[in-house]
Amino acid sequence: QKEVEQDPGPLSVPEGAIVSLNCTYSNSAFQYFMWYRQYSRKGPELLMYTYSSGNKEDGRFTAQVDKSSKYISLFIRDSQPSDSATYLCAMSRYSGGGADGLTFGKGTHLIIQP
Amino acid sequence: GAVVSQHPSRVICKSGTSVKIECRSLDFQATTMFWYRQFPKKSLMLMATSNEGSKATYEQGVEKDKFLINHASLTLSTLTVTSAHPEDSSFYICSARDRQGLGTQYFGPGTRLLVL
Repeated sequence: QKEVEQDPGPLSVPEGAIVSLNCTYSNSAFQYFMWYRQYSRKGPELLMYTYSSGNKEDGRFTAQVDKSSKYISLFIRDSQPSDSATYLCAMSRYSGGGADGLTFGKGTHLIIQP
Repeated sequence: GAVVSQHPSRVICKSGTSVKIECRSLDFQATTMFWYRQFPKKSLMLMATSNEGSKATYEQGVEKDKFLINHASLTLSTLTVTSAHPEDSSFYICSARDRQGLGTQYFGPGTRLLVL
């Protein structure tokens, strides 16, 4: 079993829909959870950063972490065509990755249809 | 704030030559920088962790003599791909960890390497 599982998609939804992106993981030592957005041929851009279980909201984005289920989610409300990108979940044992760096999911390719 | 640059953004070289990629944190200091490699439609794979003033730590399976890393200052790390071969063609991305606050990692825009 891989450390982080993420459905690569593509996930195609109409503009304005609520998007739900998810990752599961196996390492219970992970405490820091991140979501990155990556446009084609660009570096990842940090969207959300959360510690331990709970919810965090930032504008149209909401990140949820359920450590008991080893499951994290990113919700995008009122999705826009400009949200079309690959979304990568990442996690680590230590703040900022510590000595281990970050462990990434494969990324989900999201397409928002106008 | 929190901008990381990489240079060059794209490089094409002949097999057997060496290529140097620079990673700079422009508006913050980074005691630690990370180098990743990404193949098409694949996740980012950590290659090595670079700490300022000390030797880099390489992930299992990454040849340290092939991928030379130097972290000369708090704002600059370089990755040199020595004697590059076609199989080294990939997208190389660095990230820099802000030594302040949460120590969040910020990524550079990536360097696309094509070895002919």
